[in-house]
Amino acid sequence: GAVVSQHPSWVICKSGTSVKIECRSLDFQATTMFWYRQFPKQSLMLMATSNEGSKATYEQGVEKDKFLINHASLTLSTLTVTSAHPEDSSFYICSASSYSFTGTDTQYFGPGTRLTVL
Amino acid sequence: AQTVTQSQPEMSVQEAETVTLSCTYDTSENNYYLFWYKQPPSRQMILVIRQEAYKQQNATENRFSVNFQKAAKSFSLKISDSQLGDTAMYFCAFMKHGAGGTSYGKLTFGQGTILTVHP
Repeated sequence: GAVVSQHPSWVICKSGTSVKIECRSLDFQATTMFWYRQFPKQSLMLMATSNEGSKATYEQGVEKDKFLINHASLTLSTLTVTSAHPEDSSFYICSASSYSFTGTDTQYFGPGTRLTVL
Repeated sequence: AQTVTQSQPEMSVQEAETVTLSCTYDTSENNYYLFWYKQPPSRQMILVIRQEAYKQQNATENRFSVNFQKAAKSFSLKISDSQLGDTAMYFCAFMKHGAGGTSYGKLTFGQGTILTVHP
């Protein structure tokens, strides 16, 4: 149980274009989803927290107009990187939690998406 | 604000031996959770073990166990009978317990420890 998927696993795009990454909880309804960014051999940096039907809460320093997050249903959250530039190249990871389903606040992670902006 | 510190950037161990990864944290909270996550080369984050701060008994999961010292704010992970598949980056993480507030459900991660298991 508590499986989270991400799509795509790897995406290459041209500078200036937008890219959408999907995060799905496959066997549970996630009340909260989180989006992280990770550079090689470094820790995870929380970008934003999203609750179904509500606006995402962004961490300090994260541009909300650049990283658009939509949590339209209890099983799907999307991250759109708008007008991507090479410095946005990174590994993006989502996680989901649901106390009512799992009985804990434990976060379960997706497999991540590698974004390369040329 | 909470901080989590993993002071060992890299460690190595021989297959079948035991290794302990260190983690310390700083918080003014009394109720919280602590986690160890594993990130193998595939980069999939995998939950290894979870500890509730109110429980005095140390959590165990098969070959993985923790030494939770609440007063010292220490939360180390012991891996027994190390296997090649244990090679990964290990993250210690803190989560505040309780509903509400901007920090609800958020994880604070340590810097990570890269563990290599040698045959």
